[in-house]
Amino acid sequence: EPEVTQTPSHQVTQMGQEVILHCVPISNHLYFYWYRQILGQKVEFLVSFYNNEISEKSEIFDDQFSVERPDGSNFTLKIRSTKLEDSAMYFCASTPRQPSSYNSPLHFGNGTRLTVT
Amino acid sequence: DQQVKQNSPSLSVQEGRISILNCDYTNSMFDYFLWYKKYPAEGPTFLISISSIKDKNEDGRFTVFLNKSAKHLSLHIVPSQPGDSAVYFCAAIYGGATNKLIFGTGTLLAVQP
Repeated sequence: EPEVTQTPSHQVTQMGQEVILHCVPISNHLYFYWYRQILGQKVEFLVSFYNNEISEKSEIFDDQFSVERPDGSNFTLKIRSTKLEDSAMYFCASTPRQPSSYNSPLHFGNGTRLTVT
Repeated sequence: DQQVKQNSPSLSVQEGRISILNCDYTNSMFDYFLWYKKYPAEGPTFLISISSIKDKNEDGRFTVFLNKSAKHLSLHIVPSQPGDSAVYFCAAIYGGATNKLIFGTGTLLAVQP
């Protein structure tokens, strides 16, 4: 079964540094997402991306965050200047149609654990 | 933002018995609901969903029940198996143009052999 692939599995960075998290969504999917889960907390929506632009973002997704689909297969999340509170598991997800469509659940990758020291 | 709540952080069940995981929500505008299962070091995996116009959906050992008047849904797993041991997340989504899933905090299910 096709999978969403995320790299690296674990990223350690120093506060203030830029990080880029990589994702390869499922190839025929059109909608792409980033979610995050701070340790012990719930999974939170960050951003959705469709047709080469952000379609929705949460209040967490401030100017320090950006997303890009640089080619036909990759989908990246960049954090420009990391803070301690950015430490979390970041999940990429994709779906072939809008997830509000009944039979279009999100397919998640295995996540990148980001540790900011 | 506690629109979706899972009040039981953990649940322990004997193999072969029924597991019942509960979820409450506050927003009556949610259009449908999903359950995801998550193993350690993996991403959430879709399990089963239910539209707000239904009150039950069944898929093999998994059944989701929706009580709209109580704003409550539950996931029943029967019979429970040790491989079902995982964190279960309830999630909800509005209809229309939004793409945002709203997750509960999860319930850790342990199925004892």
